[in-house]
Amino acid sequence: NAGVTQTPKFQVLKTGQSMTLQCAQDMNHNSMYWYRQDPGMGLRLIYYSASEGTTDKGEVPNGYNVSRLNKREFSLRLESAAPSQTSVYFCASRPGTYTPESSYEQYFGPGTRLTVT
Amino acid sequence: LAKTTQPISMDSYEGQEVNITCSHNNIATNDYITWYQQFPSQGPRFIIQGYKTKVTNEVASLFIPADRKSSTLSLPRVSLSDTAVYYCLVGDRGRDDKIIFGKGTRLHILP
Repeated sequence: NAGVTQTPKFQVLKTGQSMTLQCAQDMNHNSMYWYRQDPGMGLRLIYYSASEGTTDKGEVPNGYNVSRLNKREFSLRLESAAPSQTSVYFCASRPGTYTPESSYEQYFGPGTRLTVT
Repeated sequence: LAKTTQPISMDSYEGQEVNITCSHNNIATNDYITWYQQFPSQGPRFIIQGYKTKVTNEVASLFIPADRKSSTLSLPRVSLSDTAVYYCLVGDRGRDDKIIFGKGTRLHILP
């Protein structure tokens, strides 16, 4: 049981390049999340997916797109990277709402450290 | 999701009990209070959740007064390894999918 996994762990991009951050969970959770964390700051929600087939904007969605590929996987895409997107990106999952296990307990991945030059 | 207010930072010494208070004046009837801990270079980790009165686990205690407008996370006999950021979240765990973290409280434990 690996929990939440993220790839890659580190990435350096040039301004204007694109890339996709991958996230997968093996806990059969309904809800998945993408957060970013800038140095010394709190987490900010980019996008979330309450269930397979649905995605919604969070606090800072501009410059990002997401895909909930299936129940396990939730990817985050940067179409044209900018230096302001330099950050650590965390993926998280939780059982979801309207389930017997409803809880605010999210399980986080190890993060992807992205630098855009 | 109810708005929360917590101190930006706190210092304490090893061996002491640390109490971090979170204010949530507009908490709703179905809202639960949840605390996370985040160590440097790691994702946040759930530590405790409660609805009213007191909840205790092996890591911390959570005290919630009758009016539920605030809550206090209590860490007994802290060590250097408790240096972390602590986040307080308030929301309806059965309905709220949009989970937003605030800035948290940076706890620095001194030797």
